[in-house]
Amino acid sequence: RKEVEQDPGPFNVPEGATVAFNCTYSNSASQSFFWYRQDCRKEPKLLMSVYSSGNEDGRFTAQLNRASQYISLLIRDSKLSDSATYLCVVRLSGTYKYIFGTGTRLKVLA
Amino acid sequence: DTGVSQNPRHKITKRGQNVTFRCDPISEHNRLYWYRQTLGQGPEFLTYFQNEAQLEKSRLLSDRFSAERPKGSFSTLEIQRTEQGDSAMYLCASSLVGVETQYFGPGTRLLVL
Repeated sequence: RKEVEQDPGPFNVPEGATVAFNCTYSNSASQSFFWYRQDCRKEPKLLMSVYSSGNEDGRFTAQLNRASQYISLLIRDSKLSDSATYLCVVRLSGTYKYIFGTGTRLKVLA
Repeated sequence: DTGVSQNPRHKITKRGQNVTFRCDPISEHNRLYWYRQTLGQGPEFLTYFQNEAQLEKSRLLSDRFSAERPKGSFSTLEIQRTEQGDSAMYLCASSLVGVETQYFGPGTRLLVL
């Protein structure tokens, strides 16, 4: 089983739609959680950290469910510019090794 | 702040040759990471440094792969006796101790013929 699993997609959604991605992790000792965004042929960039209580940044909401070992990302009112690959990232307690998922591709259609 | 830079941006080499890549992190960033990314996959951890100390490395970073950060600033990643399976994008990232945001460089794309 992979340490961090994501549905690779692609998710094709119309502009204005709400879309949600899930990511599951296998190690219960995972301590820190993140979503990164990667545009085609570009480097990953931090989208948001994921906190235990859940957090929101504009149209983006991230949630963590430690009991079920998954994190989610919700994007509201999708824009064409949201088209990218969204990478789920996990760090284990006691290490600064970051484990990336395969990424979920999102295409927002006009 | 010029961001993380990597050189070269592209490298084509023949199987069996050695290659070396360089990463210059954001100044004052004490953590530096190397990742490898292939098409359709997320970045795969190779190793990381805190200042000049290499604190953790993947099982991938063995015999043919070596990384250094001699003065705690720039880092090099060397691959000896390259194989076609080494073809990938090699990404470098840096961060500050106490801040988990990683800033990635543009990567070095390696093609082994």
